[in-house]
Amino acid sequence: QVQLVQSGAEVKKPGASVKVSCKTSGYTFTSYAMHWVRQAPGQRPEWMGWINAANGNTEYSQKFQGRVTIIRDTSASTTYMELSSLTSEDTAVYYCAREYGSGSVFGYWGQGTLVTVSS
Amino acid sequence: EIVLTQSPATLSLSPGERATLSCRASQSVGNYLVWYQQRPGQAPRLLIYDAFNRATGIPARFSGSGSGTDFTLTISSLEPGDFAVYYCQKRDKWPLTFGGGTKVEIK
Repeated sequence: QVQLVQSGAEVKKPGASVKVSCKTSGYTFTSYAMHWVRQAPGQRPEWMGWINAANGNTEYSQKFQGRVTIIRDTSASTTYMELSSLTSEDTAVYYCAREYGSGSVFGYWGQGTLVTVSS
Repeated sequence: EIVLTQSPATLSLSPGERATLSCRASQSVGNYLVWYQQRPGQAPRLLIYDAFNRATGIPARFSGSGSGTDFTLTISSLEPGDFAVYYCQKRDKWPLTFGGGTKVEIK
């Protein structure tokens, strides 16, 4: 079955960067795009960006442009999301989410990674 | 950027009752509207895509309707596991955005 397993919780200082991984199994990695979505406590989910797992092309939300980088390692069936210049407002659960079939429909989700930004 | 507004913010119902949730877009999104369920401490779960298509394994008591700017998610008869927060999401073009959610709570 499709599985997305994310790296563990992180605590970072303001100004630092964080890199979250999403290891996949149960399907052909290059056949489906992967998105990253974050959710601050009590807030709605927020789309951050997307990577085409086949060719590595990316698209980022303008809100995060310049601060977020999404890459993939096809040999490891893993996607990574790095967010830089962290502030307390970046404290959230970060999810990877695989497309269901139709574009930008999130059919499979990782378990989430809590990133806490605190001095 | 298209804004999705969900109503009501909270719906207080009893098991067995019908739930009707609304999602309104500030501009037309065609049929490109998706619904998710999120239980506490869990990732969202896909329910409905493209306004009315149930995802694999989703029970028939969940149904979606609407097009353009006005969409509805209906749960015909609430079961205990259905008490959760529901989000709509547009997928017509970037940026992808979510509504603010409707919490369905036990009355």
